[in-house]
Amino acid sequence: SQQGEEDPQALSIQEGENATMNCSYKTSINNLQWYRQNSGRGLVHLILIRSNEREKHSGRLRVTLDTSKKSSSLLITASRAADTASYFCATDSLAGGTSYGKLTFGQGTILTVHP
Amino acid sequence: KAGVTQTPRYLIKTRGQQVTLSCSPISGHRSVSWYQQTPGQGLQFLFEYFSETQRNKGNFPGRFSGRQFSNSRSEMNVSTLELGDSALYLCASSLFSLAVAGELFFGEGSRLTVL
Repeated sequence: SQQGEEDPQALSIQEGENATMNCSYKTSINNLQWYRQNSGRGLVHLILIRSNEREKHSGRLRVTLDTSKKSSSLLITASRAADTASYFCATDSLAGGTSYGKLTFGQGTILTVHP
Repeated sequence: KAGVTQTPRYLIKTRGQQVTLSCSPISGHRSVSWYQQTPGQGLQFLFEYFSETQRNKGNFPGRFSGRQFSNSRSEMNVSTLELGDSALYLCASSLFSLAVAGELFFGEGSRLTVL
């Protein structure tokens, strides 16, 4: 079963607009990562946020983490047509303070940016 | 630095056959993990190998197996193929084991079609 659930499932915006994707998870985590996948290809790592961090930035990306709500969001600012892809969150869950040692991926958000 | 290489990229098999997929990680990476991606189930963790030892295994039947060689290259094998095994199989390498966390580097995947 999927640990992370993402919404929306699909998002369609115009170039220049911001895109926000959300991820919710069920158990305590060690860290949460976001990945991007272009049409059936391999995943590309975007950003990792640890459970003791609340916000991280990388270029046009901003990730927030709220462990009390068990949720994270990915914001892409000033989107470009090249940002069109599927975006996945992945969690490294904890059991008794120890990592399970595997990543569990959400179902993903399909982002389409129209030029 | 060469990326993660997966071979073959595409293959077609018939039910009952077996298949072996190969993954060459980034030089120096000792962890290789495998994932199955399907439209219905999304991305699911198969197993992780670190320094030739299986560290963790997902919820898949025993028909799915793998191994890792001393040069960190990994293979996964699926025996007695079923139609439901049709999927994109992705491998990812990382410097540390998944339990230690960190960024994963994915290959382009092997797309398996079972007829």
